[in-house]
Amino acid sequence: GESVGLHLPTLSVQEGDNSIINCAYSNSASDYFIWYKQESGKGPQFIIDIRSNMDKRQGQRVTVLLNKTVKHLSLQIAATQPGDSAVYFCAESSGFQKLVFGTGTRLLVSP
Amino acid sequence: ETGVTQSPTHLIKTRGQQVTLRCSSQSGHNTVSWYQQALGQGPQFIFQYYREEENGRGNFPPRFSGLQFPNYSSELNVNALELDDSALYLCASSLVGLATSTDTQYFGPGTRLTVL
Repeated sequence: GESVGLHLPTLSVQEGDNSIINCAYSNSASDYFIWYKQESGKGPQFIIDIRSNMDKRQGQRVTVLLNKTVKHLSLQIAATQPGDSAVYFCAESSGFQKLVFGTGTRLLVSP
Repeated sequence: ETGVTQSPTHLIKTRGQQVTLRCSSQSGHNTVSWYQQALGQGPQFIFQYYREEENGRGNFPPRFSGLQFPNYSSELNVNALELDDSALYLCASSLVGLATSTDTQYFGPGTRLTVL
């Protein structure tokens, strides 16, 4: 399959550890934020989203934190598994449906 | 499985040629957005189609054009291909404009375009 993100920031963790992926956004008018997971050769897969009127949202094994003061977003993955290995993108939107993506972080999970 | 499909999977063209990429949106969705993803980068917004009309455009020249059909499927056309057009082209569908609308965009697997 194709290689996504040849020179991306990389986070390496051991299986079972918790992972934290960070993202800084630029537009203070953005009111909707999404995390996507992209595996090699595939399109981005929706993980979790959060709106600007919230600070935290939890899903299955994932938590997204939003700090509007410093325009920072993070994705926490609990008990990271080898299947979580992928490139993770944050994306922001400001009312209109255009998504602006960050540069991505590669997550490598070792057994 | 998102339900968004794209064709073809891979495509090789030469500089100056024209290409048409196709996207079928997820069942129940009425909006399609197109993105270009160069190797090693995040997707870049090209444009969005809603109710068969362009509903916003990113920083792409007019030789990038599109269509949306009554069944909400969509095409992306690129004329006068350049080497820098080589990329993964992604479409994403969403539901907009109803009481239950959501901004969540669900992506297809993409079409890998190589321009020689």
